[in-house]
Amino acid sequence: NAGVTQTPKFQVLKTGQSMTLQCAQDMNHEYMSWYRQDPGMGLRLIHYSVGAGITDQGEVPNGYNVSRSTTEDFPLRLLSAAPSQTSVYFCASLASGEIDEAFFGQGTRLTVV
Amino acid sequence: AQSVTQPDIHITVSEGASLELRCNYSYGATPYLFWYVQSPGQGLQLLLKYFSGDTLVQGIKGFEAEFKRSQSSFNLRKPSVHWSDAAEYFCAVGGSQGNLIFGKGTKLSVKP
Repeated sequence: NAGVTQTPKFQVLKTGQSMTLQCAQDMNHEYMSWYRQDPGMGLRLIHYSVGAGITDQGEVPNGYNVSRSTTEDFPLRLLSAAPSQTSVYFCASLASGEIDEAFFGQGTRLTVV
Repeated sequence: AQSVTQPDIHITVSEGASLELRCNYSYGATPYLFWYVQSPGQGLQLLLKYFSGDTLVQGIKGFEAEFKRSQSSFNLRKPSVHWSDAAEYFCAVGGSQGNLIFGKGTKLSVKP
Protein backbone atom coordinates (compact mmCIF):
# COMPACT_ATOMS: atom_id res chain seq x y z
CA ASN A 1 0.00 0.00 0.00
CA ALA A 2 1.25 3.46 -0.87
CA GLY A 3 -0.34 5.17 2.14
CA VAL A 4 0.05 8.95 1.89
CA THR A 5 1.99 10.24 -1.10
CA GLN A 6 3.28 13.79 -1.36
CA THR A 7 4.76 15.39 -4.44
CA PRO A 8 7.14 16.98 -5.07
CA LYS A 9 9.72 16.10 -2.41
CA PHE A 10 11.72 19.28 -3.02
CA GLN A 11 10.83 22.59 -4.61
CA VAL A 12 12.44 25.99 -5.00
CA LEU A 13 10.20 28.93 -5.84
CA LYS A 14 10.78 32.56 -6.49
CA THR A 15 8.86 35.10 -4.45
CA GLY A 16 5.47 35.67 -6.02
CA GLN A 17 5.28 32.38 -7.87
CA SER A 18 2.43 30.00 -7.33
CA MET A 19 2.44 26.25 -6.96
CA THR A 20 0.44 23.31 -5.70
CA LEU A 21 1.69 20.69 -3.30
CA GLN A 22 0.00 17.40 -4.01
CA CYS A 23 -1.21 14.91 -1.43
CA ALA A 24 -2.94 11.63 -2.18
CA GLN A 25 -3.98 8.76 0.06
CA ASP A 26 -5.23 5.32 -0.88
CA MET A 27 -6.69 4.29 2.47
CA ASN A 28 -10.15 5.79 1.94
CA HIS A 29 -9.61 8.08 4.91
CA GLU A 30 -12.13 10.84 5.49
CA TYR A 31 -9.83 13.16 7.42
CA MET A 32 -6.84 14.88 5.85
CA SER A 33 -4.63 17.70 7.06
CA TRP A 34 -1.70 19.85 6.05
CA TYR A 35 1.02 20.86 8.49
CA ARG A 36 4.14 22.93 8.19
CA GLN A 37 7.25 22.24 10.19
CA ASP A 38 9.70 24.95 11.11
CA PRO A 39 12.73 24.63 13.39
CA GLY A 40 11.77 24.93 17.05
CA MET A 41 8.06 25.24 16.23
CA GLY A 42 6.96 21.64 15.90
CA LEU A 43 4.24 20.98 13.35
CA ARG A 44 1.51 23.55 12.92
CA LEU A 45 -1.81 22.91 11.27
CA ILE A 46 -2.49 24.88 8.08
CA HIS A 47 -5.78 23.48 6.77
CA TYR A 48 -7.77 20.34 7.25
CA SER A 49 -10.68 18.49 5.74
CA VAL A 50 -13.22 16.12 7.28
CA GLY A 51 -14.48 14.85 3.94
CA ALA A 52 -14.88 15.63 0.27
CA GLY A 53 -16.14 19.16 -0.20
CA ILE A 54 -15.43 20.21 3.39
CA THR A 55 -12.36 22.16 4.45
CA ASP A 56 -11.46 24.44 7.31
CA GLN A 57 -8.61 26.58 8.53
CA GLY A 58 -6.06 25.55 11.07
CA GLU A 59 -3.59 27.56 13.10
CA VAL A 60 -1.60 29.13 10.23
CA PRO A 61 -3.82 29.32 7.11
CA ASN A 62 -2.75 32.67 5.65
CA GLY A 63 -1.22 32.40 2.19
CA TYR A 64 -2.57 28.92 1.54
CA ASN A 65 -5.67 27.54 -0.14
CA VAL A 66 -7.07 24.04 -0.20
CA SER A 67 -9.89 22.13 -1.79
CA ARG A 68 -11.13 18.56 -1.44
CA SER A 69 -12.97 17.40 -4.53
CA THR A 70 -12.30 13.71 -3.90
CA THR A 71 -11.68 11.58 -0.84
CA GLU A 72 -8.22 10.66 -2.11
CA ASP A 73 -6.70 14.05 -2.87
CA PHE A 74 -6.06 17.14 -0.79
CA PRO A 75 -3.83 19.65 -2.63
CA LEU A 76 -2.33 22.69 -0.95
CA ARG A 77 -1.98 25.83 -3.07
CA LEU A 78 0.40 28.71 -2.58
CA LEU A 79 -1.00 31.57 -4.64
CA SER A 80 1.92 33.99 -4.24
CA ALA A 81 4.88 32.44 -2.48
CA ALA A 82 6.73 34.41 0.17
CA PRO A 83 10.06 33.66 1.89
CA SER A 84 8.11 33.12 5.14
CA GLN A 85 6.59 30.05 3.51
CA THR A 86 9.95 28.34 3.33
CA SER A 87 9.28 25.22 5.35
CA VAL A 88 8.75 21.48 5.28
CA TYR A 89 5.16 20.55 4.56
CA PHE A 90 3.51 17.35 5.70
CA CYS A 91 0.20 15.91 4.67
CA ALA A 92 -1.62 13.50 6.96
CA SER A 93 -4.73 11.37 6.81
CA LEU A 94 -6.71 9.32 9.27
CA ALA A 95 -9.85 7.27 9.20
CA SER A 96 -11.86 9.04 11.87
CA GLY A 97 -11.71 11.97 14.21
CA GLU A 98 -9.91 11.72 17.47
CA ILE A 99 -9.66 8.01 17.89
CA ASP A 100 -7.16 6.92 15.33
CA GLU A 101 -3.59 7.09 14.19
CA ALA A 102 -2.62 9.70 11.62
CA PHE A 103 -0.55 8.58 8.68
CA PHE A 104 1.95 11.08 7.32
CA GLY A 105 3.51 11.59 3.95
CA GLN A 106 7.26 11.94 3.59
CA GLY A 107 7.09 15.71 3.34
CA THR A 108 7.81 18.43 0.80
CA ARG A 109 10.76 20.72 1.44
CA LEU A 110 9.92 24.11 -0.02
CA THR A 111 12.34 27.00 -0.35
CA VAL A 112 11.14 30.42 -1.45
CA VAL A 113 13.88 32.78 -2.59
CA ALA B 1 -7.39 25.80 24.55
CA GLN B 2 -5.77 22.55 23.57
CA SER B 3 -2.02 22.53 23.79
CA VAL B 4 1.01 20.31 24.22
CA THR B 5 4.18 21.31 26.02
CA GLN B 6 7.50 19.59 25.72
CA PRO B 7 9.67 21.39 28.28
CA ASP B 8 13.01 20.10 27.01
CA ILE B 9 14.22 21.45 23.69
CA HIS B 10 17.39 19.35 23.60
CA ILE B 11 18.52 16.40 25.69
CA THR B 12 21.84 14.56 25.55
CA VAL B 13 22.23 11.11 27.06
CA SER B 14 24.98 8.55 26.96
CA GLU B 15 24.46 5.37 25.02
CA GLY B 16 23.07 2.72 27.34
CA ALA B 17 21.61 5.24 29.76
CA SER B 18 17.91 5.54 30.44
CA LEU B 19 15.78 8.20 28.83
CA GLU B 20 12.68 10.12 29.79
CA LEU B 21 11.15 12.77 27.56
CA ARG B 22 8.48 14.93 29.12
CA CYS B 23 5.14 15.88 27.67
CA ASN B 24 2.31 17.83 29.27
CA TYR B 25 -1.00 18.45 27.59
CA SER B 26 -4.04 20.61 28.01
CA TYR B 27 -7.23 19.11 26.65
CA GLY B 28 -10.84 19.39 27.68
CA ALA B 29 -11.94 15.80 27.24
CA THR B 30 -10.30 12.41 27.41
CA PRO B 31 -7.10 12.90 25.45
CA TYR B 32 -5.82 10.72 22.68
CA LEU B 33 -2.06 10.95 22.93
CA PHE B 34 0.76 10.10 20.59
CA TRP B 35 4.52 10.09 20.40
CA TYR B 36 6.18 10.45 17.01
CA VAL B 37 9.84 10.27 16.10
CA GLN B 38 11.52 12.05 13.22
CA SER B 39 15.01 11.26 12.01
CA PRO B 40 16.86 14.01 10.13
CA GLY B 41 15.33 14.63 6.73
CA GLN B 42 12.65 12.03 7.27
CA GLY B 43 8.94 11.95 7.89
CA LEU B 44 7.20 11.14 11.15
CA GLN B 45 6.99 7.64 12.52
CA LEU B 46 4.49 6.71 15.21
CA LEU B 47 6.16 5.29 18.31
CA LEU B 48 3.09 4.66 20.41
CA LYS B 49 -0.38 5.89 21.18
CA TYR B 50 -2.77 6.06 24.11
CA PHE B 51 -6.50 5.99 23.64
CA SER B 52 -7.83 4.40 26.84
CA GLY B 53 -7.28 1.54 29.25
CA ASP B 54 -3.90 0.65 30.68
CA THR B 55 -2.01 3.84 31.41
CA LEU B 56 1.35 2.29 30.51
CA VAL B 57 1.61 1.76 26.78
CA GLN B 58 4.31 -0.05 24.88
CA GLY B 59 5.55 1.09 21.54
CA ILE B 60 8.07 0.20 18.91
CA LYS B 61 11.85 0.26 19.34
CA GLY B 62 11.61 -0.47 23.06
CA PHE B 63 9.83 2.75 23.99
CA GLU B 64 7.02 3.06 26.49
CA ALA B 65 4.94 5.93 27.81
CA GLU B 66 2.83 6.44 30.88
CA PHE B 67 -0.37 8.45 30.92
CA LYS B 68 -0.95 10.30 34.19
CA ARG B 69 -4.26 12.10 34.17
CA SER B 70 -3.62 13.84 37.49
CA GLN B 71 -0.46 15.43 36.12
CA SER B 72 -1.71 15.90 32.54
CA SER B 73 1.42 14.13 31.41
CA PHE B 74 2.41 11.50 28.89
CA ASN B 75 6.13 10.97 29.32
CA LEU B 76 8.14 8.79 26.99
CA ARG B 77 10.73 6.40 28.41
CA LYS B 78 13.34 3.95 27.28
CA PRO B 79 15.50 1.93 29.67
CA SER B 80 18.62 1.85 27.50
CA VAL B 81 19.25 4.30 24.67
CA HIS B 82 20.99 3.26 21.46
CA TRP B 83 22.91 5.60 19.17
CA SER B 84 20.22 5.06 16.53
CA ASP B 85 17.66 6.69 18.82
CA ALA B 86 19.16 10.11 18.12
CA ALA B 87 16.30 12.00 16.50
CA GLU B 88 13.61 14.53 17.27
CA TYR B 89 10.60 13.41 19.27
CA PHE B 90 7.17 14.94 19.14
CA CYS B 91 4.30 14.51 21.53
CA ALA B 92 0.82 15.16 20.14
CA VAL B 93 -2.77 15.15 21.29
CA GLY B 94 -5.66 14.20 19.03
CA GLY B 95 -7.77 17.26 18.45
CA SER B 96 -11.27 17.50 17.13
CA GLN B 97 -12.02 16.82 13.49
CA GLY B 98 -9.04 14.68 12.79
CA ASN B 99 -6.14 16.99 13.39
CA LEU B 100 -3.24 16.73 15.81
CA ILE B 101 -1.81 19.33 18.13
CA PHE B 102 1.92 18.92 18.41
CA GLY B 103 4.46 19.98 20.95
CA LYS B 104 7.52 21.79 19.69
CA GLY B 105 9.65 18.71 19.91
CA THR B 106 12.64 17.45 21.87
CA LYS B 107 15.87 16.77 20.07
CA LEU B 108 17.74 13.79 21.46
CA SER B 109 21.48 13.46 21.07
CA VAL B 110 23.26 10.28 22.11
CA LYS B 111 26.88 10.31 23.33
CA PRO B 112 29.02 7.28 22.58
